[in-house]
Amino acid sequence: RKEVEQDPGPFNVPEGATVAFNCTYSNSASQSFFWYRQDCRKEPKLLMSVYSSGNEDGRFTAQLNRASQYISLLIRDSKLSDSATYLCVVSHSGYALNFGKGTSLLVTP
Amino acid sequence: ETGVTQSPTHLIKTRGQQVTLRCSSQSGHNTVSWYQQALGQGPQFIFQYYREEENGRGNFPPRFSGLQFPNYSSELNVNALELDDSALYLCASSSPTSGRNTGELFFGEGSRLTVL
Repeated sequence: RKEVEQDPGPFNVPEGATVAFNCTYSNSASQSFFWYRQDCRKEPKLLMSVYSSGNEDGRFTAQLNRASQYISLLIRDSKLSDSATYLCVVSHSGYALNFGKGTSLLVTP
Repeated sequence: ETGVTQSPTHLIKTRGQQVTLRCSSQSGHNTVSWYQQALGQGPQFIFQYYREEENGRGNFPPRFSGLQFPNYSSELNVNALELDDSALYLCASSSPTSGRNTGELFFGEGSRLTVL
Protein backbone atom coordinates (compact mmCIF):
# COMPACT_ATOMS: atom_id res chain seq x y z
CA ARG A 1 0.00 0.00 0.00
CA LYS A 2 1.31 3.43 -0.94
CA GLU A 3 2.06 5.70 2.01
CA VAL A 4 0.15 8.59 0.45
CA GLU A 5 -2.90 7.97 -1.75
CA GLN A 6 -4.57 10.53 -4.00
CA ASP A 7 -7.20 10.40 -6.69
CA PRO A 8 -5.16 11.12 -9.84
CA GLY A 9 -8.07 12.83 -11.61
CA PRO A 10 -8.05 14.61 -13.94
CA PHE A 11 -10.45 17.15 -12.52
CA ASN A 12 -11.82 19.38 -15.28
CA VAL A 13 -13.65 22.41 -13.87
CA PRO A 14 -14.84 25.73 -15.29
CA GLU A 15 -13.35 29.02 -14.17
CA GLY A 16 -14.92 30.19 -10.94
CA ALA A 17 -15.76 26.71 -9.70
CA THR A 18 -14.86 25.30 -6.32
CA VAL A 19 -12.88 22.07 -6.37
CA ALA A 20 -11.74 19.78 -3.57
CA PHE A 21 -8.92 17.26 -3.50
CA ASN A 22 -8.52 14.52 -0.94
CA CYS A 23 -5.61 12.49 0.23
CA THR A 24 -5.10 9.68 2.75
CA TYR A 25 -1.89 8.56 4.42
CA SER A 26 -1.03 5.28 6.05
CA ASN A 27 1.65 6.10 8.62
CA SER A 28 0.03 7.23 11.85
CA ALA A 29 3.43 8.56 13.03
CA SER A 30 3.37 11.21 10.33
CA GLN A 31 4.05 14.63 11.76
CA SER A 32 4.07 17.13 8.92
CA PHE A 33 1.69 17.64 6.05
CA PHE A 34 1.82 19.78 2.94
CA TRP A 35 0.39 20.46 -0.47
CA TYR A 36 2.82 21.07 -3.30
CA ARG A 37 1.94 22.24 -6.79
CA GLN A 38 3.68 21.02 -9.93
CA ASP A 39 3.14 22.64 -13.31
CA CYS A 40 3.59 20.55 -16.43
CA ARG A 41 7.24 19.56 -16.87
CA LYS A 42 8.33 21.86 -14.05
CA GLU A 43 9.58 21.32 -10.52
CA PRO A 44 7.25 20.96 -7.49
CA LYS A 45 6.72 24.07 -5.36
CA LEU A 46 5.28 24.35 -1.87
CA LEU A 47 1.68 25.56 -1.98
CA MET A 48 0.91 25.41 1.73
CA SER A 49 1.47 23.53 4.94
CA VAL A 50 -1.48 21.76 6.54
CA TYR A 51 -2.30 22.06 10.23
CA SER A 52 -4.77 20.19 12.42
CA SER A 53 -6.70 23.39 13.04
CA GLY A 54 -7.09 23.94 9.31
CA ASN A 55 -5.55 26.83 7.48
CA GLU A 56 -6.39 29.18 4.67
CA ASP A 57 -4.30 31.10 2.18
CA GLY A 58 -6.44 33.27 -0.04
CA ARG A 59 -8.60 31.00 -2.18
CA PHE A 60 -6.95 27.85 -0.81
CA THR A 61 -8.04 26.02 2.34
CA ALA A 62 -6.31 22.94 3.72
CA GLN A 63 -7.65 20.58 6.37
CA LEU A 64 -6.10 17.71 8.29
CA ASN A 65 -7.95 14.97 10.13
CA ARG A 66 -5.39 12.98 12.11
CA ALA A 67 -7.92 10.46 13.39
CA SER A 68 -8.95 9.53 9.84
CA GLN A 69 -5.47 10.15 8.40
CA TYR A 70 -7.04 12.35 5.79
CA ILE A 71 -5.93 15.63 4.20
CA SER A 72 -7.91 17.91 1.95
CA LEU A 73 -7.37 20.95 -0.24
CA LEU A 74 -10.19 23.24 -1.31
CA ILE A 75 -9.74 25.76 -4.11
CA ARG A 76 -12.42 28.41 -4.42
CA ASP A 77 -13.08 30.62 -7.46
CA SER A 78 -10.75 28.57 -9.69
CA LYS A 79 -8.52 30.47 -12.11
CA LEU A 80 -7.02 29.25 -15.37
CA SER A 81 -3.63 29.60 -13.70
CA ASP A 82 -4.62 27.01 -11.08
CA SER A 83 -4.27 24.30 -13.74
CA ALA A 84 -1.51 22.03 -12.44
CA THR A 85 -0.88 18.81 -10.55
CA TYR A 86 -1.43 19.03 -6.81
CA LEU A 87 0.79 16.76 -4.73
CA CYS A 88 -0.19 15.67 -1.23
CA VAL A 89 2.93 15.37 0.92
CA VAL A 90 3.50 13.74 4.30
CA SER A 91 6.60 13.50 6.46
CA HIS A 92 7.35 11.38 9.52
CA SER A 93 11.13 11.30 9.43
CA GLY A 94 11.86 14.99 9.54
CA TYR A 95 14.07 14.79 6.49
CA ALA A 96 12.20 12.86 3.81
CA LEU A 97 8.98 13.98 2.18
CA ASN A 98 6.57 11.30 0.96
CA PHE A 99 4.67 12.48 -2.08
CA GLY A 100 1.42 11.16 -3.44
CA LYS A 101 1.07 10.59 -7.20
CA GLY A 102 -0.66 13.91 -7.56
CA THR A 103 -4.10 15.07 -8.67
CA SER A 104 -4.34 16.77 -12.03
CA LEU A 105 -6.51 19.88 -12.30
CA LEU A 106 -7.54 21.57 -15.53
CA VAL A 107 -9.49 24.80 -15.25
CA THR A 108 -11.27 25.69 -18.47
CA PRO A 109 -12.63 29.06 -19.69
CA GLU B 1 13.78 30.90 -9.96
CA THR B 2 14.59 28.84 -6.86
CA GLY B 3 18.35 29.25 -7.15
CA VAL B 4 18.80 25.48 -7.39
CA THR B 5 20.47 24.51 -10.64
CA GLN B 6 20.87 21.04 -12.07
CA SER B 7 22.86 19.63 -14.94
CA PRO B 8 22.50 18.16 -17.40
CA THR B 9 18.85 18.91 -18.15
CA HIS B 10 18.41 15.91 -20.42
CA LEU B 11 20.49 12.86 -21.13
CA ILE B 12 20.20 9.47 -22.75
CA LYS B 13 22.11 6.42 -21.57
CA THR B 14 22.03 2.73 -22.33
CA ARG B 15 21.39 -0.08 -19.90
CA GLY B 16 24.44 -0.93 -17.80
CA GLN B 17 26.07 2.49 -18.11
CA GLN B 18 26.76 4.88 -15.27
CA VAL B 19 25.52 8.45 -14.88
CA THR B 20 26.42 11.45 -12.72
CA LEU B 21 23.93 14.25 -12.14
CA ARG B 22 24.93 17.55 -10.55
CA CYS B 23 23.18 20.07 -8.36
CA SER B 24 24.03 23.49 -6.98
CA SER B 25 21.94 24.40 -3.97
CA GLN B 26 20.35 27.73 -3.20
CA SER B 27 22.60 30.20 -1.45
CA GLY B 28 22.52 29.69 2.32
CA HIS B 29 21.14 26.15 2.08
CA ASN B 30 23.39 23.41 3.42
CA THR B 31 21.03 20.46 3.00
CA VAL B 32 20.47 18.74 -0.33
CA SER B 33 17.95 16.01 -1.11
CA TRP B 34 17.52 13.95 -4.26
CA TYR B 35 14.21 12.63 -5.54
CA GLN B 36 13.28 10.39 -8.46
CA GLN B 37 10.05 11.15 -10.32
CA ALA B 38 8.90 8.53 -12.79
CA LEU B 39 6.30 9.50 -15.38
CA GLY B 40 2.87 9.88 -13.80
CA GLN B 41 4.21 9.40 -10.28
CA GLY B 42 5.07 11.67 -7.39
CA PRO B 43 8.70 12.27 -6.45
CA GLN B 44 10.31 9.45 -4.44
CA PHE B 45 12.97 10.25 -1.83
CA ILE B 46 16.41 8.86 -2.68
CA PHE B 47 18.64 10.40 0.00
CA GLN B 48 19.61 13.59 1.77
CA TYR B 49 23.00 15.13 2.46
CA TYR B 50 23.84 17.49 5.28
CA ARG B 51 27.36 18.76 5.94
CA GLU B 52 28.76 16.33 3.39
CA GLU B 53 27.26 13.28 5.12
CA GLU B 54 24.32 11.14 4.08
CA ASN B 55 21.56 12.07 6.49
CA GLY B 56 18.83 9.66 5.45
CA ARG B 57 18.05 7.29 2.63
CA GLY B 58 14.91 6.03 0.93
CA ASN B 59 14.23 2.62 -0.54
CA PHE B 60 16.83 2.72 -3.31
CA PRO B 61 19.60 0.17 -3.96
CA PRO B 62 23.28 0.90 -3.26
CA ARG B 63 23.96 1.57 -6.94
CA PHE B 64 22.39 4.95 -6.21
CA SER B 65 25.06 6.96 -4.41
CA GLY B 66 25.80 10.58 -3.77
CA LEU B 67 28.22 13.18 -2.62
CA GLN B 68 28.00 16.62 -1.12
CA PHE B 69 30.89 19.06 -1.44
CA PRO B 70 32.09 21.76 0.96
CA ASN B 71 30.23 24.40 -1.07
CA TYR B 72 27.04 22.32 -0.51
CA SER B 73 26.72 21.33 -4.15
CA SER B 74 25.93 17.68 -4.71
CA GLU B 75 26.16 14.80 -7.13
CA LEU B 76 23.92 11.79 -7.68
CA ASN B 77 25.60 8.76 -9.21
CA VAL B 78 23.74 5.78 -10.58
CA ASN B 79 25.66 2.68 -11.63
CA ALA B 80 24.53 -0.24 -13.77
CA LEU B 81 21.60 1.68 -15.21
CA GLU B 82 18.32 -0.18 -15.69
CA LEU B 83 15.40 0.70 -17.94
CA ASP B 84 13.30 1.55 -14.86
CA ASP B 85 15.80 4.24 -13.89
CA SER B 86 14.33 6.40 -16.65
CA ALA B 87 12.85 9.34 -14.74
CA LEU B 88 13.16 12.98 -13.79
CA TYR B 89 15.78 13.37 -11.05
CA LEU B 90 15.07 16.32 -8.82
CA CYS B 91 17.49 17.98 -6.48
CA ALA B 92 16.10 20.04 -3.62
CA SER B 93 17.85 22.27 -1.16
CA SER B 94 16.75 23.53 2.21
CA SER B 95 18.18 25.30 5.21
CA PRO B 96 18.37 23.43 8.51
CA THR B 97 15.27 25.22 9.75
CA SER B 98 13.16 25.53 6.61
CA GLY B 99 13.40 21.89 5.62
CA ARG B 100 12.45 20.44 8.96
CA ASN B 101 9.99 22.97 10.21
CA THR B 102 8.11 24.14 7.17
CA GLY B 103 8.60 21.28 4.72
CA GLU B 104 9.67 23.76 2.12
CA LEU B 105 12.13 22.24 -0.25
CA PHE B 106 13.39 24.34 -3.13
CA PHE B 107 13.59 22.11 -6.17
CA GLY B 108 15.68 22.50 -9.27
CA GLU B 109 14.09 21.89 -12.66
CA GLY B 110 15.50 18.39 -12.75
CA SER B 111 17.58 16.16 -14.97
CA ARG B 112 15.53 14.00 -17.29
CA LEU B 113 17.25 10.64 -17.76
CA THR B 114 16.25 8.17 -20.45
CA VAL B 115 17.74 4.69 -20.31
CA LEU B 116 17.53 2.67 -23.54
